[in-house]
Amino acid sequence: SQTIHQWPATLVQPVGSPLSLECTVEGTSNPNLYWYRQAAGRGLQLLFYSVGIGQISSEVPQNLSASRPQDRQFILSSKKLLLSDSGFYLCAWGRNTIYFGEGSWLTVV
Amino acid sequence: QKEVEQDPGPLSVPEGAIVSLNCTYSNSAFQYFMWYRQYSRKGPELLMYTYSSGNKEDGRFTAQVDKSSKYISLFIRDSQPSDSATYLCAMSAANAGNMLTFGGGTRLMVKP
Repeated sequence: SQTIHQWPATLVQPVGSPLSLECTVEGTSNPNLYWYRQAAGRGLQLLFYSVGIGQISSEVPQNLSASRPQDRQFILSSKKLLLSDSGFYLCAWGRNTIYFGEGSWLTVV
Repeated sequence: QKEVEQDPGPLSVPEGAIVSLNCTYSNSAFQYFMWYRQYSRKGPELLMYTYSSGNKEDGRFTAQVDKSSKYISLFIRDSQPSDSATYLCAMSAANAGNMLTFGGGTRLMVKP
């Protein structure tokens, strides 16, 4: 069966610091991969999706970037965090539908 | 107007009640419909996945799609306190791959 791992689960970062969130999927090959953000009291916002290694599409212009260095690895990064980057970040993989990881809580202080 | 509308609640029911959660949508191209359950501070978990109109049952959960009315429902029978969570509907068009459009979620509280 397929599993998705996402880390770290929680982090507190100062404004201006870098960010790296990692996600890996097991039990499937060439999955579509996604990064979503869920701000407090708001819905799910698609940030990036990838249909293959090195192929990244950005849905929202922002302070973040994504990379897919390996088939089942997806990384969300920022060079300098803003206060507005705080939120719950979710990695997901998809075939006919989307399956989410456990999420990463980011607080920028 | 949002593409997918979902009452944010909270919806509070006593244990054992039948719960009805609903979403309306405006895009007639949507053909795949999903319900996710999200516990506090956790990632959403896929509960139900249906294609086109009709009903689908899985244990205490029934998903219903009425494409003519652009209305989908999730029914929970014999609700339990462990069902307390936020329920998100999601949908996609046939040619949209995995690009889902989500509702904002309904918070459900089942009181013992």
